[in-house]
Amino acid sequence: DVVLTQSPLSLPVTLGQPASISCRSSQSLVYSDGDIYLSWFHQRPGQSPRRLIYKVSNRDSGVPDRFSGSGSGTDFTLKISRVEAEDVGVYYCMQATHWPLYTFGQGTKLEIK
Amino acid sequence: EVQLVESGGGFVKPGGSLRLSCVVSGFTFSDAWMSWVRQAPGKGLEWVGRIKSKTDGGSTDYTAPVKGRYTISRDDSKNTMYLQMNSLKIEDTAVYYCTTLNAIPRPDYWGQGTLVTVSS
Repeated sequence: DVVLTQSPLSLPVTLGQPASISCRSSQSLVYSDGDIYLSWFHQRPGQSPRRLIYKVSNRDSGVPDRFSGSGSGTDFTLKISRVEAEDVGVYYCMQATHWPLYTFGQGTKLEIK
Repeated sequence: EVQLVESGGGFVKPGGSLRLSCVVSGFTFSDAWMSWVRQAPGKGLEWVGRIKSKTDGGSTDYTAPVKGRYTISRDDSKNTMYLQMNSLKIEDTAVYYCTTLNAIPRPDYWGQGTLVTVSS
């Protein structure tokens, strides 16, 4: 089974500063069609998760452009260029390449210093 | 407006059963592959299982810990997905979310979740 390992698990950040979260896969996430089905989700405290990024680097509608995703093969990164107060919560990566089974990373908790 | 509304959660003893429902509105449910995702108290997200659209075969897949105990079904005439949970274990305690969980360039939607507590 594919395992996604996120780091760090806890990320204290000063408002206005950048933040970066890593997601490493135990297997390549390149699908047979050449695409990579790696998504990022954000879950604010007490809320349902919300998808931010799909297929590594595509932002969902309404997601601020301070969020960006990158990566290839087994290593992926979510970056926030300037953290704002509304960005607190837990971030998860998820793979859908090795379907039919989907896998989430264990989550990274972002908090404001 | 898109809405996914889960219901059916509650308290159940180990070995018991529960059926969750997810009623969808605001998008074409019959075309959607739908998933259940759960989150144990204070823990991360865990994909539970998925049902394809009927036009794509309507088949289901499950994560190993629930395979053989959980069954996902859908009634497109009612815009509703179901999760039948049998032989429940304490470790099944979680908030269960209904979601499209799209990995492709389609909008992704989540419900508000329903809490299932398995305890003696």
